[in-house]
Amino acid sequence: EVQVVESGGRLVQPGGSLRLSCAASGFSVSYNYMNWVRQAPGKGLEWVSVMFSGGSTNYADSVKGRFTISRDNSNNTLILQMNSLRVEDTAVYYCVKAYCSTSSCSPHAFAIWGQGTMVTVSS
Amino acid sequence: QSALTQPAAVSGSPGLSITISCTGTTSDIGGYNYVSWYQQHPGEAPKLMIFDVSNRPSGVSDRFSGSKSGNTASLTISGLQAEDEADYYCSSFTSGNPLVVFGGGTKLTVL
Repeated sequence: EVQVVESGGRLVQPGGSLRLSCAASGFSVSYNYMNWVRQAPGKGLEWVSVMFSGGSTNYADSVKGRFTISRDNSNNTLILQMNSLRVEDTAVYYCVKAYCSTSSCSPHAFAIWGQGTMVTVSS
Repeated sequence: QSALTQPAAVSGSPGLSITISCTGTTSDIGGYNYVSWYQQHPGEAPKLMIFDVSNRPSGVSDRFSGSKSGNTASLTISGLQAEDEADYYCSSFTSGNPLVVFGGGTKLTVL
């Protein structure tokens, strides 16, 4: 079964750091487009970052310079390193795999979502 | 890049059809055929319902359909059922930042 499971979310003070992990099963993170999407409490969805299969990355302006997306191929895990956290970073963070059929992929359609991990930034 | 514009709420009776609009610009919806729609029930992760404007992933009911005209995309749900009651989000690839932009979400109530 294709699935992703996030972990690492917790309460952290403003200015602090946090490392989120996303364990993938049923597919390889290194061969897929992998994203982080967040949802603040009671709010809508916000795209955060992507790592393409070739290794290039992209970030929303709101997190650029503070967050770093990477992957651990040996453990088939996607990682989000979050530094200089702000109160407005409080959200459920979802790890998401882009859609792929047997014949093609749609890199900007988010098909496989984890259950999310809650990050709370508060003093 | 501003969020895409969706109505905050729509409602419909069982068996009937509803359409949710999603309006963007030439930098997102109008410029690319990379519009997706997601369904989210309370306390759950979103589920992909439509990708690339009008394509359904395997397992999604054919009661769900998508279309696009100019800078506006639409999601139509026909034969409304109680389990369709949820929040719906549109998204689009963009030529700027962020790479993908979401709409603010639409709460669907099945009367």
